[in-house]
Amino acid sequence: GQNIDQPTEMTATEGAIVQINCTYQTSGFNGLFWYQQHAGEAPTFLSYNVLDGLEEKGRFSSFLSRSKGYSNLLLKELQMKDSASYLCAFMDSNYQLIWGAGTKLIIKP
Amino acid sequence: IAGITQAPTSQILAAGRRMTLRCTQDMRHNAMYWYRQDLGLGLRLIHYSNTAGTTGKGEVPDGYSVSRANTDDFPLTLASAVPSQTSVYFCASSDSSGSSNEQFFGPGTRLTVL
Repeated sequence: GQNIDQPTEMTATEGAIVQINCTYQTSGFNGLFWYQQHAGEAPTFLSYNVLDGLEEKGRFSSFLSRSKGYSNLLLKELQMKDSASYLCAFMDSNYQLIWGAGTKLIIKP
Repeated sequence: IAGITQAPTSQILAAGRRMTLRCTQDMRHNAMYWYRQDLGLGLRLIHYSNTAGTTGKGEVPDGYSVSRANTDDFPLTLASAVPSQTSVYFCASSDSSGSSNEQFFGPGTRLTVL
């Protein structure tokens, strides 16, 4: 079967670093996505990993290990505007996205 | 402005009524999707279309239908709404010939069925 899991909620301090983990199980894999979703808004694309390793984009970076079935999203120099839900999704063998329930990140001053 | 739009923004509907949620994109993306998002659950795929003229069923298709008469429009119809269809509905599109298959989302429709 297929499944994907990420923590429900995390709290971090402004200016700090936080890592959000996502684990998945699937027989067919065509990449892993991270999206950001502010309350009441649409998800917006953050990153895509299809090969093992690190993808960096400004303050955000994402790491993928296909052999171990996980990805981490790392957010540096946290700002209050980073308070949002972070959605992890993998693309299955049919090129459909299977989504985690999202991690609500709370940033405290 | 290039992007993807949805209408209405929100709607309160009596159970048993028929409702069509509209979705239009101007990015010439070949693929389009309808998701529902419920508290505590991930986005769940209702229906999708890989190209104009074709549609497919997602994870939760029952009670919903779609059509894809052209590239830009992908309406979702609830034939006879039930309270369990209360949700936030997102339409998305992607260029599946691209390297990343990134999906772009519309602003969503908040639907309440009473």
